[in-house]
Amino acid sequence: AQSVTQPDIHITVSEGASLELRCNYSYGATPYLFWYVQSPGQGLQLLLKYFSGDTLVQGIKGFEAEFKRSQSSFNLRKPSVHWSDAAEYFCAVGGEAAGNKLTFGGGTRVLVKP
Amino acid sequence: DTEVTQTPKHLVMGMTNKKSLKCEQHMGHRAMYWYKQKAKKPPELMFVYSYEKLSINESVPSRFSPECPNSSLLNLHLHALQPEDSALYLCASSQEWGNTIYFGEGSWLTVV
Repeated sequence: AQSVTQPDIHITVSEGASLELRCNYSYGATPYLFWYVQSPGQGLQLLLKYFSGDTLVQGIKGFEAEFKRSQSSFNLRKPSVHWSDAAEYFCAVGGEAAGNKLTFGGGTRVLVKP
Repeated sequence: DTEVTQTPKHLVMGMTNKKSLKCEQHMGHRAMYWYKQKAKKPPELMFVYSYEKLSINESVPSRFSPECPNSSLLNLHLHALQPEDSALYLCASSQEWGNTIYFGEGSWLTVV
């Protein structure tokens, strides 16, 4: 069965500093990988996705993620965070081998200090 | 435009009430989903509709009853709910089942 681990429950970062959120997955075939962001009281917004091809994926709001098959990781990065980036971030894995169901990680809450 | 619209945004209901949550998308997506999200937890899949047919029911109690009247609409009928059913209910859609999923803003449900 597939699984996703986000090792960091909370991360606090200063505004303007860089951010990296970790995501490790377990999946028996070629994974489809996603990062979603959820602001307080809101739904989930898709930041970026990886299906195949270039392992460095660009997303919205200045985010990027890198797929590393050898490490079963799909870490999310942003060079310079803004106060509006404070939110909950979810990594998810899916694919045909999983019956096309998305499996979410537990989430990482990002706090931004002024 | 990737927009999934959910109504109402907030709903308070008693344990004997009958209410419905509604979801609409006009992106031509053929798969629609209901998820439940408790505080500080990731979303949990409840139902999947593909081409207006129920494809997945994740062993959800019968007090939750989904309905897909047409390819753009998805309802979740609620009856005899329990306080522990209070949560954020997220509707989502995708081009096809298995493609990228786009979420709505959610409906906050409180059962009293």
